Order: sequence, then structure tokens, then C-alpha cells
Amino acid sequence: EDQVTQSPEALRLQEGESSSLNCSYTVSGLRGLFWYRQDPGKGPEFLFTLYSAGEEKEKERLKATLTKKESFLHITAPKPEDSATYLCAVQATGNTDKLIFGTGTRLQVFP
Amino acid sequence: DTAVSQTPKYLVTQMGNDKSIKCEQNLGHDTMYWYKQDSKKFLKIMFSYNNKELIINETVPNRFSPKSPDKAHLNLHINSLELGDSAVYFCASSQFDRRGYGYTFGSGTRLTVV
Repeated sequence: EDQVTQSPEALRLQEGESSSLNCSYTVSGLRGLFWYRQDPGKGPEFLFTLYSAGEEKEKERLKATLTKKESFLHITAPKPEDSATYLCAVQATGNTDKLIFGTGTRLQVFP
Repeated sequence: DTAVSQTPKYLVTQMGNDKSIKCEQNLGHDTMYWYKQDSKKFLKIMFSYNNKELIINETVPNRFSPKSPDKAHLNLHINSLELGDSAVYFCASSQFDRRGYGYTFGSGTRLTVV
């Protein structure tokens, strides 16, 4: 069964303290791995799509990487405005268009 | 603004009632979805429509009936509401372009059944 597991469940960082969020996945075949940011009371906001092992993408203080079993979202020198829940999702091959989500990592960055 | 918009944002209703949630996208996407987010923030797909045709029905009780009058709209009707239906319901749309699949989510409808 296709599955996504995210860790840690919650992460508290001091402003400027870099860290990484983990997303482990099990799929029959990976079509794409997605990272989303979700703020309270809002819908998930798209960050990155990764398609193959070794691929990396960056956006401001965020960098996403992908291996054959997991993805990392690296946050460099975070700011309080980076506080949110970060969701990882996979799309499996032959699985139409549905996304299978993990339960997210709730990130809090303190000044 | 280009977006996925859903209404209402909040819905409080009694058990046994029937209610509808509406969704519209002006992105020109071919595929639309309904996802359910439970109290633990876990997002799970319910339905997917491609150009008005049902593609995915993820073992959802038949009290839930999606309707797509055209490819820009996907509504969700729920009959005989139960306490366990309380959740946040998200509409989304997607389109494959040269960058890959782009999914856009609406801002959610928080349904509370009392």
C-alpha cells in the first residue's frame, strides 16, 4: 500500500537555527513528490514538486531533496514567518492524479 | 484573481441535515478534487473529476455525492449528516504542464455537525 510518513510531528526552532524535515514514502512507482505549506485556516500552498532521485529544488530559505525512499525539506536560517505545517505528498504511477499525504510537520520558529 | 474558491467557509449544522459545498476554479484546469482533512490534519482524497467525468471515488459513503456541471465547477452534496462528517473539506484542481503537475487548493470549508 502506498504510504507517506513525516517526521518529526512538531519542531520548534529559534530564529536562524537551520534544520530539516523528513518525508519517507513507500509507493509502487513514484510519479512525483510534492511539498506544501499550510497556514492555520488556509488551504495547502504549493512549494515544490520533485520527480526523480537526486533532484533538488530551492525557494528562498527552503530546499527540497529527493532519494528513492525519502525527501528532505531543509530550512536554512528560518524566520518566524516560516512557521506553518509542512505537508509532503506523493503521486504514484498508474494512480490517476490523486495525492497521498503524510500527516505533516508543524514548525514553529521563535524570534 | 485566479484561484480555487469554495463556499461556504464555515458550515454548522445538525445531524441528519443535508448540505452542499460549492467549488469553482478559474485556472482552466481539467481535473478537480475533493479532499477531507480530519482533526489530526490528515488530508485524504474523496473524489476526482476530469472534465466532468468521475475518475476517483475513494470508498466514500454514498451519502456524499459530487456533482460537476462543467469542468470549472465541482460541488459536494452530503445527505443525512453525521457527527463523524465534521472536518475541513478542501477543493483542489490540477493540470499537467511542462513543469509537471500543478495542484491548487481552495481555502477549505470547515463543517461542524452538532
